[in-house]
Amino acid sequence: DVKVTQSSRYLVKRTGEKVFLECVQDMDHENMFWYRQDPGLGLRLIYFSYDVKMKEKGDIPEGYSVSREKKERFSLILESASTNQTSMYLCASSSENNSPLHFGNGTRLTVT
Amino acid sequence: LAKTTQPISMDSYEGQEVNITCSHNNIATNDYITWYQQFPSQGPRFIIQGYKTKVTNEVASLFIPADRKSSTLSLPRVSLSDTAVYYCLVALGTDKLIFGTGTRLQVFP
Repeated sequence: DVKVTQSSRYLVKRTGEKVFLECVQDMDHENMFWYRQDPGLGLRLIYFSYDVKMKEKGDIPEGYSVSREKKERFSLILESASTNQTSMYLCASSSENNSPLHFGNGTRLTVT
Repeated sequence: LAKTTQPISMDSYEGQEVNITCSHNNIATNDYITWYQQFPSQGPRFIIQGYKTKVTNEVASLFIPADRKSSTLSLPRVSLSDTAVYYCLVALGTDKLIFGTGTRLQVFP
């Protein structure tokens, strides 16, 4: 069974801090994704990657960057956290285009 | 960017069939339609995927008309444990995967 693991379940950071959210998948999937989920807005795509060292912007990339140095790991970086980045962050992976996404259980980030 | 549209919420009773429709007017020729279920404090979980006509698995059916501009997730004989948020996902070309706003299904005893 595919497992997508997000390093933290809950995280509290201060405004201006640099924040790293880590995601690891164990099924050798090519594709990895970062979404944020907010009440009333559903899931919004931040960044995705179809290969190592490759990244593409999603719908809301502003204020975020990503890193994919190894196939199994996809990191989301908040260069300077702001209060409007308080959200639930969900990582997902898939084996190829049009194959189902497998999600982690999320990281609830609070920026104060 | 094309959008998907779903009802915000639906109510049902145990044992009833529930149908949730998603509109996706700008779906591309090769895109698949996938539905997910999400419980509180968990990531979404895959339910079913289809390209056209009808697909059925052990938990749900998916109906897709010929023009593919919409799809309907059908949950037979729902139980209380089916209370969740349901999302449709349409793969747009080879890149961005856009979720709908989700439908909150509440099942009552």
